[in-house]
Amino acid sequence: GAVVSQHPSWVICKSGTSVKIECRSLDFQATTMFWYRQFPKQSLMLMATSNEGSKATYEQGVEKDKFLINHASLTLSTLTVTSAHPEDSSFYICSAGGGAIYEQYFGPGTRLTVT
Amino acid sequence: EDKVVQSPLSLVVHEGDTVTLNCSYEVTNFRSLLWYKQEKKAPTFLFMLTSSGIEKKSGRLSSILDKKELSSILNITATQTGDSAIYLCAVEASVGGNKLVFGAGTILRVKS
Repeated sequence: GAVVSQHPSWVICKSGTSVKIECRSLDFQATTMFWYRQFPKQSLMLMATSNEGSKATYEQGVEKDKFLINHASLTLSTLTVTSAHPEDSSFYICSAGGGAIYEQYFGPGTRLTVT
Repeated sequence: EDKVVQSPLSLVVHEGDTVTLNCSYEVTNFRSLLWYKQEKKAPTFLFMLTSSGIEKKSGRLSSILDKKELSSILNITATQTGDSAIYLCAVEASVGGNKLVFGAGTILRVKS
């Protein structure tokens, strides 16, 4: 089956610093990658959709200057949380897809803690 | 605003029990409903439903969609401890590009 990896799996950073999270499709090419965040006991909330080679589409309420998304190749998308604050602490999950909506494969997630 | 609501929020059963998980939705331009199982981290795909009344089945799991009632159920029969997980319902809406709107999930714990 299709495999999506995320790196790092967890990260702790200080308030005001930036953190980059990578999402890679290991055995398939993903024309579209999705970034979600998940708070404890809450649902996955779509943050943005990125298509290879073009600008990401952000959901309402998500600051594009704070959450920078780059989808430079068909196998890699990155999410950079700039000037992180404690309220950005969350579980960030990416998914990668190349075709039908059910062919969206999720990464294992990255736990971000901002102190 | 698109919304997906799951119930119950959590459930504890004994091995061998049958469980029914519910999902209701209000979305613009519904395309499909998907069920996922999230054990530790990454959700894994279970079913995709597009037509009312047609049951999808995989082993002890089955699911059906009722478009009139804007809802779906996921049934698990003869539950096992390995079924313990968070079960997520997501609806594919096509406004502004195809995207998934997730419910908060049902936490299922199966006790031996």
